[in-house]
Amino acid sequence: RKEVEQDPGPFNVPEGATVAFNCTYSNSASQSFFWYRQDCRKEPKLLMSVYSSGNEDGRFTAQLNRASQYISLLIRDSKLSDSATYLCVVRSGGSYIPTFGRGTSLIVHP
Amino acid sequence: DTGVSQDPRHKITKRGQNVTFRCDPISEHNRLYWYRQTLGQGPEFLTYFQNEAQLEKSRLLSDRFSAERPKGSFSTLEIQRTEQGDSAMYLCASSLGAGVGVYNEQFFGPGTRLTVL
Repeated sequence: RKEVEQDPGPFNVPEGATVAFNCTYSNSASQSFFWYRQDCRKEPKLLMSVYSSGNEDGRFTAQLNRASQYISLLIRDSKLSDSATYLCVVRSGGSYIPTFGRGTSLIVHP
Repeated sequence: DTGVSQDPRHKITKRGQNVTFRCDPISEHNRLYWYRQTLGQGPEFLTYFQNEAQLEKSRLLSDRFSAERPKGSFSTLEIQRTEQGDSAMYLCASSLGAGVGVYNEQFFGPGTRLTVL
């Protein structure tokens, strides 16, 4: 089993839709969780960190479920500009090295 | 531009040749990472520096790969005797870290796209 798993998609949604992605991780000692966004042929950029209590940034909400070992990303009122690949990132305690999932592709169409 | 820069942006080489890539991190960042990314996959960790010390290296990294960060600033990644399977995007990232277990946001460079013919 891979350390971090994501459904590659693509998720194809209309503008204004709500879409959610999940990411599962295998290491129960994982301590830090993040979502990065990567546009086509560009470098990844941090979208948001994921805290135990969950966090929200505008239309984006991230949640952590330690019992089931997954994190989620919810995007409300999708915009065309949200089209990108969303990378799940997990880091184990005591490690400097984050592990990236393969990414979930989102396509928002008019 | 004060972000992470990488050079060259593209490299085409013939199998068996050696190539070297350079990464200039954000100036105050003490942590530097190299990753490799292929189409449809997330970045795969290659190696990590804290200042000039190479602290971790992926078990998947063959002996043909070597990296340096001689003065704790820029870093180079060299691939010797390139193979077609080395074709990928090579990404560099830097962050400002303090202490084990402290993880701050990584800032990525634009990458070097390597094509081995």
